[in-house]
Amino acid sequence: DVRLEESGGKSEQPGRSLRLSCEASGFIFSSYSMNWVRQAPGKGLEWISYISSGGETTYYGDSLEGRFVVSRDNTKKSLYLQISRLRADDTAVYYCTRDVLLPSGRVFDTWGQGTLVTVSS
Amino acid sequence: QSVLTQPPSTSGTPGQSITISCSGSKSNVGKNPVNWYQQHTGAAPKLLIFNYGQRPSGVPERFSGSKSDTSASLAIDGLQSEDGAHYYCAAWDDSVSGYVFGTGTEVSVL
Repeated sequence: DVRLEESGGKSEQPGRSLRLSCEASGFIFSSYSMNWVRQAPGKGLEWISYISSGGETTYYGDSLEGRFVVSRDNTKKSLYLQISRLRADDTAVYYCTRDVLLPSGRVFDTWGQGTLVTVSS
Repeated sequence: QSVLTQPPSTSGTPGQSITISCSGSKSNVGKNPVNWYQQHTGAAPKLLIFNYGQRPSGVPERFSGSKSDTSASLAIDGLQSEDGAHYYCAAWDDSVSGYVFGTGTEVSVL
């Protein structure tokens, strides 16, 4: 089975940093681009970042102000999201998703169960 | 910040047909395929429709998608109780080199 499992979410104070992880199984991780998507409590989905299969290309959502860094380790079949200078509005469930590029366009075909980040003093 | 606009909610009785709209612009819906995701309360989103109207394996035929100019639609033909969920449209946006989601629509089955 294709699976994604996020970890690293916790309650943290504003201004601190946090690293989230996503471990993949059931598919050739190094062949797929990946994304992070977050969802604040009671709110909709917000795309955070994209990273290509080899890690050489990254994209980020406009509103993130350079505080987010996506990376990956294909030898460990893992995706990471480093969040610095945490703010209260970073409180959300963070999902990793597998990115499939079809001839017609890209689609997020597999999602993890999410990991909760709570930012509060 | 969502750039794809959806109605906040809609509802229907079992067996009815409903449609959810997704309004975008030339740089996203007008140019790139629209995908739809279903999210039940407390669960992760799940891919429902891709490339405007294709269904992944396991998605019932009562779900269908379409597109016209800069708008897309998701139709549920023959609503069932398990269809009560939030639905999000999404597409790549060339103007921001990023993926954008719709504002989300809550479907209630009465």
